This record gives sequence, structure tokens and C-alpha cells, in this order.
Amino acid sequence: EAGVAQSPRYKIIEKRQSVAFWCNPISGHATLYWYQQILGQGPKLLIQFQNNGVVDDSQLPKDRFSAERLKGVDSTLKIQPAKLEDSAVYLCASSLVGQPYGYTFGSGTRLTVV
Amino acid sequence: KQEVTQIPAALSVPEGENLVLNCSFTDSAIYNLQWFRQDPGKGLTSLLLIQSSQREQTSGRLNASLDKSSGRSTLYIAASQPGDSATYLCAVHSGTYKYIFGTGTRLKVLA
Repeated sequence: EAGVAQSPRYKIIEKRQSVAFWCNPISGHATLYWYQQILGQGPKLLIQFQNNGVVDDSQLPKDRFSAERLKGVDSTLKIQPAKLEDSAVYLCASSLVGQPYGYTFGSGTRLTVV
Repeated sequence: KQEVTQIPAALSVPEGENLVLNCSFTDSAIYNLQWFRQDPGKGLTSLLLIQSSQREQTSGRLNASLDKSSGRSTLYIAASQPGDSATYLCAVHSGTYKYIFGTGTRLKVLA
């Protein structure tokens, strides 16, 4: 089975610019997660979707971050405007509903804000 | 609020040694605990998942134990190899299917 696809792999932007990341989950996985992993830390959940509805976005900085999941499949995460502290790896994961066994991560997008 | 801590933060051992990685969590009301491996520039690979009703899980040279009442889990790696060098992350399943991660242990196995 194909894994979770993410693009781009790397992105370098200047502060105050905007950036978008894309994620394509495993086919049939209704639940999709975006995690932020700052260097030297564990991943932190930003937002969780079930189909195209938001389940949890309590840790998403909503003044600058936004995410959507149209048609319950692909998802995009946007940052506008970016700050230096947004430099991190952004990981997307997907799972079947209620099935933590099927929690699969993508390779991530490494963002550097200069 | 669930918090997950991993010690040590980094570990360097000679090839062939048996080693133990530690994970502790503050809220014992968990559904399961999962150990992941992360290679540089890569995503996370699931190693072992322990349900809250289980005490341990084994896969090859890896053994993970869970003591829910004391809020602890250990990952035991037998006969370590240079290919085991990676960051190991512990994650606790804490409601609504999301995981709370520790900060990881960076392991380096020297040939």
C-alpha cells in the first residue's frame, strides 16, 4: 500500500512570507493529523481531521496557521505570515477511524524561516 | 494534562550492548503507548504498540514494557547494531485518537 505523501520535502522562506504544505493520506484513512516537530523536541499535534471535519485544533496558532481538508482526502497546511520560530519539520499522519494501529506518518516537510 | 518524558536524551554505546530507553507519563489513563523510530530527515516508523491492558510487546530484538500504574514504559534493545542508530520516540495515546510525544532519545551505536 502506498504511504502518506507529503510535499515539498524542503522549503526555505523569509519571515513574513507565506508557505503551504500538502499531504495525501493513505487511501481509506478517514483521520488525518498535522504535527509540528521543532528540532530536539517531540512532535506536537497542530490539527486533527476526521473526514473533512476538524476534531481538534486546540494547539494550532490560528492567527497565522490554517488547514483544510477538502473532500475528506488531501489536506493543506498554510502559514501566513511565517515567523522564525515556525522553523520545524511538519509531519502529516493518517489512520483509520478509531484504529491507532494504522497510524502512519509521512516523511515530513522541513521548513526553514530566515 | 498529559506530559511524556524520555531519558536519557542521548545515548552512545558500542555495538553488541543491550540497552534500555525510558519513557514516563503523568496521566495513567491511557489507551495505549507506542514506540517510534525516526531516522534523520525521515518520518516516524512504528516499532511497537502496547495496549493499556498489556504488560509488554516483543518484535525481534526489541521488547517494550508498560507499567501503567507507575506511568512508565521501557524499550529494551538487545545486541545493538550500528543500524539501530536513530531517535526513538515514545508516544501516549491520550483520547480522541491523538498521540502525545516525548522529546525522544538519540541513540548512536558505534561499530
